Amino acid sequence: GNSVTQMEGPVTLSEEAFLTINCTYTATGYPSLFWYVQYPGEGLQLLLKATKADDKGSNKGFEATYRKETTSFHLEKGSVQVSDSAVYFCALWGTDKLIFGTGTRLQVFP
Amino acid sequence: DTGVSQDPRHKITKRGQNVTFRCDPISEHNRLYWYRQTLGQGPEFLTYFQNEAQLEKSRLLSDRFSAERPKGSFSTLEIQRTEQGDSAMYLCASSPAWASGGQSTDTQYFGPGTRLTVL
Repeated sequence: GNSVTQMEGPVTLSEEAFLTINCTYTATGYPSLFWYVQYPGEGLQLLLKATKADDKGSNKGFEATYRKETTSFHLEKGSVQVSDSAVYFCALWGTDKLIFGTGTRLQVFP
Repeated sequence: DTGVSQDPRHKITKRGQNVTFRCDPISEHNRLYWYRQTLGQGPEFLTYFQNEAQLEKSRLLSDRFSAERPKGSFSTLEIQRTEQGDSAMYLCASSPAWASGGQSTDTQYFGPGTRLTVL
């Protein structure tokens, strides 16, 4: 069945460091892929999405490329800020529902 | 539109009590979803509605759980005879049923969640 696997956290970085959060998926076909972010005490917010192979989703300096060959959708940011501290969830579009990974907590220190 | 809203934001109850949560979706969205998120895990699908019709229920939704969306607008999720294992964040999300106006059916907008603690 469909599933998403994320790297375990927490990921701890200094401000302005490069970020990568790994995400791989198992799916039938080529579903849309998403990254959602959850700030402390808040609900999930859509960060970016990609709908087909080789698409790159981007938002707020974050990027992720839909890689069919490696079934991956890794999240990257060139220079993180303290305000990026949150939990990041990779997800895929199953049959009329989202299927999420377990989330990766990012902690950015000044 | 102010987005998806949920009420209450927090609920503490004793084991065996019944609880009910409410979700108000984005007004033009036909689809409404419920997810459950336990500590350290990602959200897990519970059920969803298209207008007033409940189209799918997860195996996670035991007989003690019931969801309704009587007029195709807001939805309620009731848990009867709560158990400690029901403690979780209950998330509601909405999306359009058909792609229009730049919105796609697979993009969901989440509310802030209701955190349930069963003592």
